[in-house]
Formats: sequence, structure tokens, C-alpha cells
Amino acid sequence: KQEVTQIPAALSVPEGENLVLNCSFTDSAIYNLQWFRQDPGKGLTSLLLIQSSQREQTSGRLNASLDKSSGRSTLYIAASQPGDSATYLCAVLYNTDKLIFGTGTRLQVFP
Amino acid sequence: DTGVSQNPRHKITKRGQNVTFRCDPISEHNRLYWYRQTLGQGPEFLTYFQNEAQLEKSRLLSDRFSAERPKGSFSTLEIQRTEQGDSAMYLCASSLAPGIQPQHFGDGTRLSIL
Repeated sequence: KQEVTQIPAALSVPEGENLVLNCSFTDSAIYNLQWFRQDPGKGLTSLLLIQSSQREQTSGRLNASLDKSSGRSTLYIAASQPGDSATYLCAVLYNTDKLIFGTGTRLQVFP
Repeated sequence: DTGVSQNPRHKITKRGQNVTFRCDPISEHNRLYWYRQTLGQGPEFLTYFQNEAQLEKSRLLSDRFSAERPKGSFSTLEIQRTEQGDSAMYLCASSLAPGIQPQHFGDGTRLSIL
């Protein structure tokens, strides 16, 4: 069964810290992996997409890595800010073209 | 690019009623997806379209659920004889190049069954 797991489920950090969110998936035959941000009561905002042939993608203070062989991805957030507070979702795309989501990491960055 | 638009944003209805949601994808996107998200969980796939053709349906999509995309543009998701367990956020997404470009999501329709 294709499953996606995210650790930790919740994280609370002071402003300015660098942090790492983890995502693991059971089936390594992926097309790509996406990281999303979701604010309360809102839809999903795509942050980064990593193709199966890539090792990492960067956007501003965000860096996502992918290790297909071990079934893992990490999202690194540098110099966290209160505006980064949200739920971060990892999703994996297989050849069926439907995203399989983790349950998310709820991040709170306090001033 | 105005993004994916979903209407209504919120729907409150009594158990047993029928509801219909609408999704307008990004204009040039030929793939359209429906997902359902319950509190504290990640979204779960329901169905998707390539233009007007419905290509896959999840087993979550019981016979009370039907989705259409009649002209390959907007899509509707109808739930008949709603039940308490249907309460969720219904999310729509679209993409241009599956597997290559990301799926772009709307803000969802939150359904509450009284």
C-alpha cells in the first residue's frame, strides 16, 4: 500500500530558528513529490516540486531534498518567521496521477 | 492566471439534502482533480478528469457522489442524500502537464451536515 508519513505532527519554535520537516513514503516508484502549505480554513499552496530524477529544489528560504532509495524527503526552512506558521503537507505522485498526502506537520513560529 | 476558483466557500445543509459544488480550473489546464479533506488529515483523492473524460474514481466516491466536466472547462461535484460523514472540505485542483508541473489547488468548499 502506498502511504506517506510526516514527522513531527506538530512543531513550535521561536522566530529565527532553522527547522526541518520530514516526509517518508513506502513505495519509491514515484513520479514526483510536492510540498504544500495550508493556512487554516484555506486551500493548498504549492511550495516546491521535486521530480523523481532530482535531488533537491530551492525557493527562497525553503529547500526540499529527495532520497528516493530510502523513501524520504525533507523540507528545510531557514530563519523561520511568524508568517511561516501553517500546516505543511507532503504529497507523492505515482503513475496513477493522484497525489497521496501525508497528514501534515502543524508549524507554529512565535516571536 | 486567476487561480482555481471554487464555489460556494461554505455550505451548510441538513442530512438527506442534495448539494452541488463548482470548480473553475486555471483556464488552460486540461487535468482537473477532486479531493476530500477531513479535520486533521491530508486530502484524499476522489476523482479526476482529462478534459471532459472522467479517468479514475476512488472507492471513496460512493454511488451518492457524481462528478462532471461537461465541456472540459468547469466541473461540478454533486452529493445526493447527504450523510453526517460527508462533512469535510472538498478541494479542487488543476494541472497542465501531469507529473511535470504541480497541481494547483483552490480554497475548497467546506461542507457541514446538520
